Amino acid sequence: AQSVTQLGSHVSVSEGALVLLRCNYSSSVPPYLFWYVQYPNQGLQLLLKYTTGATLVKGINGFEAEFKKSETSFHLTKPSAHMSDAAEYFCAVSLTGTASKLTFGTGTRLQVTL
Amino acid sequence: DSGVTQTPKHLITATGQRVTLRCSPRSGDLSVYWYQQSLDQGLQFLIQYYNGEERAKGNILERFSAQQFPDLHSELNLSSLELGDSALYFCASSTTAGTGDSPLHFGNGTRLTVT
Repeated sequence: AQSVTQLGSHVSVSEGALVLLRCNYSSSVPPYLFWYVQYPNQGLQLLLKYTTGATLVKGINGFEAEFKKSETSFHLTKPSAHMSDAAEYFCAVSLTGTASKLTFGTGTRLQVTL
Repeated sequence: DSGVTQTPKHLITATGQRVTLRCSPRSGDLSVYWYQQSLDQGLQFLIQYYNGEERAKGNILERFSAQQFPDLHSELNLSSLELGDSALYFCASSTTAGTGDSPLHFGNGTRLTVT
């Protein structure tokens, strides 16, 4: 079985500041990891994903995440926050195989202030 | 635009009633997933269909049912509605049977309000 834990249900940063959203996963086998973003009144949109290979993954809108197996983490970062980044962010984990399911974390709401 | 279409966008109904939510997956996607999102429960997986057959079940109540039709669109039926069923219901689609490394493509959801 797999699971993800997102530390911090709410994160507030100033515009221009570093964004760091934390995600830790639990999996008995190498996982596939995802970050999704949900803007108000919209569905979830894929930001980036890690499958295999390079552990630093770049996504849309300037976001990136680093897979650290030793720390079982997949934290999401962006060097400089923009007002338009205000949204809810979900970390998710999946395993290989045709019976695999996507398991979401509880989400982190990012607030960006002036 | 994800390519996943959900109708209706909003639904207001009374307790005890039955409603049907509809989803058209992205062109070429064979899997359809249903999720419920509420403030207290977060994002909960309900059920998955792949090419017309039920593939996986999550936290779906017995009062809820779903099906996927030959044209691959899916419907989620909610009956004997209770106040606690008020939530945002999302449909997502993907190309494969298992999620694996294939991302899900989400619709914009149906907001259900039970009064």
